[in-house]
Amino acid sequence: GESVGLHLPTLSVQEGDNSIINCAYSNSASDYFIWYKQESGKGPQFIIDIRSNMDKRQGQRVTVLLNKTVKHLSLQIAATQPGDSAVYFCAENRDYKLSFGAGTTVTVRA
Amino acid sequence: DTAVSQTPKYLVTQMGNDKSIKCEQNLGHDTMYWYKQDSKKFLKIMFSYNNKELIINETVPNRFSPKSPDKAHLNLHINSLELGDSAVYFCASSQGTEGKGFFGQGTRLTVV
Repeated sequence: GESVGLHLPTLSVQEGDNSIINCAYSNSASDYFIWYKQESGKGPQFIIDIRSNMDKRQGQRVTVLLNKTVKHLSLQIAATQPGDSAVYFCAENRDYKLSFGAGTTVTVRA
Repeated sequence: DTAVSQTPKYLVTQMGNDKSIKCEQNLGHDTMYWYKQDSKKFLKIMFSYNNKELIINETVPNRFSPKSPDKAHLNLHINSLELGDSAVYFCASSQGTEGKGFFGQGTRLTVV
């Protein structure tokens, strides 16, 4: 089926290290992707987005990479901090709606 | 100021009851959404309204009825609540239908 999925449900990272969260999508027609962060007890919070005419986009400590050839999306977090502990979702926009992947729970070890 | 606010934050009710969740956004957005997040954290869109018109209705039981009195409000009414309706419901808004949404804090609905 056509869906957005994540490779790993959990990721444990040492504080200060870089984190890489992966996401695969199967709809080649998707042209807009978003990463969200959801902390416990809160709603998803926008992190960064990217359009299909780009391969890379950088924000503050975060970088999103898009590989359309293999339909792969990744979020890189530099110098991971305890406050980065959360569930991360990738989402693709198609047909006027966001379709979310299952989420990756990131735990930062002190 | 809270951008997207939902009330109530927690809702515990018995099976068969009817309940409503309210949502308001002060971002000036023209599109609002309801999402359901299950116990495994999976988020799925339920409804979307653009300028008070329903544009997305995702195979949701007709016990769920959204209402948008104006662009800043999107309420969700649920009739005859069932155990399987227990979940966290999120309201979101965006400018346009592209889906880059700002989410509320969620309403945790527990049906007992």
